[in-house]
Amino acid sequence: GAVVSQHPSWVICKSGTSVKIECRSLDFQATTMFWYRQFPKQSLMLMATSNEGSKATYEQGVEKDKFLINHASLTLSTLTVTSAHPEDSSFYICSAPTSRNYNEQFFGPGTRLTVL
Amino acid sequence: GEDVEQSLFLSVREGDSSVINCTYTDSSSTYLYWYKQEPGAGLQLLTYIFSNMDMKQDQRLTVLLNKKDKHLSLRIADTQTGDSAIYFCAESIDDYKLSFGAGTTVTVRA
Repeated sequence: GAVVSQHPSWVICKSGTSVKIECRSLDFQATTMFWYRQFPKQSLMLMATSNEGSKATYEQGVEKDKFLINHASLTLSTLTVTSAHPEDSSFYICSAPTSRNYNEQFFGPGTRLTVL
Repeated sequence: GEDVEQSLFLSVREGDSSVINCTYTDSSSTYLYWYKQEPGAGLQLLTYIFSNMDMKQDQRLTVLLNKKDKHLSLRIADTQTGDSAIYFCAESIDDYKLSFGAGTTVTVRA
């Protein structure tokens, strides 16, 4: 299947700092990517849809000024958690559907964010 | 609504079949998915089924869909220790977004 990577795989930061997470499609182009967060032993919650060349669309209850999304190219989307606080600690996962079959979504390995 | 429900735990003996069940609510979902997540890792797409199908088989995996009851199941034949993981059922909602269940933790015992 298609490969999606994320960087970093884990990050620890101090409260009040900003953290950028990258999501890359390695062997295909992705005009759309999705960002999810997952709390321990819980399911994935969709945060936002990242669209190449246009603004991201956010799910209800997700603060767009808190979670900045930039879809810089057809293979890269970034999620920046601004002024992070301990409650932002979570596992962040991105996904991307392939253009050949938009119903097949491939997920990145996830980024573990811990805010102290 | 887009609620997906799954049982939380399943314990199965190595070599037996595992059956993981899922119910969903959005009757307009066109695709239903099964993903596998190993500890500390992202999600691996196992299989998916189009809503006009009743069954799909892929090697050891069999997916059954009862659209009338909005019930989806995943059967893993000859379950191995490497099958121990969390299995997520998901349904497609608008614009290719996915709504996930809480996940079923499958434990394979020797």
